Amino acid sequence: AQSVTQLGSHVSVSEGALVLLRCNYSSSVPPYLFWYVQYPNQGLQLLLKYTSAATLVKGINGFEAEFKKSETSFHLTKPSAHMSDAAEYFCAVSNFGNEKLTFGTGTRLTIIP
Amino acid sequence: NAGVTQTPKFQVLKTGQSMTLQCAQDMNHEYMSWYRQDPGMGLRLIHYSVGAGITDQGEVPNGYNVSRSTTEDFPLRLLSAAPSQTSVYFCASSSFNEQFFGPGTRLTVL
Repeated sequence: AQSVTQLGSHVSVSEGALVLLRCNYSSSVPPYLFWYVQYPNQGLQLLLKYTSAATLVKGINGFEAEFKKSETSFHLTKPSAHMSDAAEYFCAVSNFGNEKLTFGTGTRLTIIP
Repeated sequence: NAGVTQTPKFQVLKTGQSMTLQCAQDMNHEYMSWYRQDPGMGLRLIHYSVGAGITDQGEVPNGYNVSRSTTEDFPLRLLSAAPSQTSVYFCASSSFNEQFFGPGTRLTVL
C-alpha cells in the first residue's frame, strides 16, 4: 500500500523568502516519489522525482527535494520565492515507477509581494 | 509532438446521460491512465492501461468504463452520469522517465 500526506493545504511566503512544502509518504517497498506543479486551469507538470539514486533531487525552476527514509519525508524547497511560483503543488508516490501514482491532496502556494 | 490531448475541454451533462472523454497521445507510450481531481482530494486514479487490449481498475473505477484498442487512444466512458462525477478529468501517459498529463476536461453533471 502507498499513501501521501501533504501538511498544509495553503502556504503563503513573501517574495524572496524560503519555500518549504511538506510531504510524508507511506510505502511497503522502496518508493518512487514525485513533486508536480499545477498552474490555474492547466494540467500537471513534473518538477522533480526521486528514484533511489541521489537523496537530494534537483528539479526545474530552482526547486529541490530531499528524500529522508528515516523520516519518510520528501519535502520540497526553494531558497527564494518568485511571484511565478504561485501555484498548487502535489506530492505523489508510486511503487511502480512512473505508473499508478498516488497523490497527496495538494498545497496551494501563495507569494506575497 | 502534440503530447497528450484531451477533448472536450468543458462538458455539461444531465444526470443519466452518457458520454465519452477522449484521450490521445503521440509518444508511443504503452502506459496510459485516467485521474479525476476534486477539491481537497488531489488526483485519484480511475483506470489504467499497460498496453493495447489491457486495462485495469484504479482507486475509484465505479461508474466509468475504459477500453484500449490502439496504443494512441484511451477513451473514458460514463454510461449514466451522476452529480458525484462532477470533476476535472486528466489523462496521462508514461514513458520510463516521466508521466505526461493532458490539459484536462472539466465535467459538470446537473
